Amino acid sequence: ETGVTQTPRHLVMGMTNKKSLKCEQHLGHNAMYWYKQSAKKPLELMFVYSLEERVENNSVPSRFSPECPNSSHLFLHLHTLQPEDSALYLCASSQNPGQGAGDTQYFGPGTRLTVL
Amino acid sequence: QKEVEQNSGPLSVPEGAIASLNCTYSDRGSQSFFWYRQYSGKSPELIMFIYSNGDKEDGRFTAQLNKASQYVSLLIRDSQPSDSATYLCAVKPGGKLIFGQGTELSVKP
Repeated sequence: ETGVTQTPRHLVMGMTNKKSLKCEQHLGHNAMYWYKQSAKKPLELMFVYSLEERVENNSVPSRFSPECPNSSHLFLHLHTLQPEDSALYLCASSQNPGQGAGDTQYFGPGTRLTVL
Repeated sequence: QKEVEQNSGPLSVPEGAIASLNCTYSDRGSQSFFWYRQYSGKSPELIMFIYSNGDKEDGRFTAQLNKASQYVSLLIRDSQPSDSATYLCAVKPGGKLIFGQGTELSVKP
């Protein structure tokens, strides 16, 4: 595996379900990110982890819960979601979250989430 | 005012022409600028980044940055149908990357 991988690629869940999205980066990067992409809207940053510590949480509802057990893995735990949470969820990683070329973010293929 | 603004398009150009994509940003303190390409149903992929005023060329792509006017553009020379995608401008004014909504480009054979 190379780059940034995400599983599952597609997920359909009911509003009462609990599921988790997984992201793994094989680039030796120190920072990982969760983004939400809804139709016709800009990418929205949800969470940032640097060296396994959360450094940014953009006022995301508590029904989304991130977990970063190590610098290569990132999870997004989902529970009691709403239909408006249906979107493409993208994971990204970068060498470091600072300035410069090391901050270039590389994206995974995304998980297409549908909440019924 | 949006932090990063792009014309949503669609921008339609004939094959072989130059496609010009523009982006303006509001935070004068922004230091890093990125262009990503996103095909329908796929994730964004990095095309170029630029930090200094002026032009940066990579193959058929040229990024242009003008910090005084707060805009960054992407030129695609000899446009190909395979360049048809949404192009995302991203700006880093501080700790996080801010994306524009993207410009849809369509290259007609």
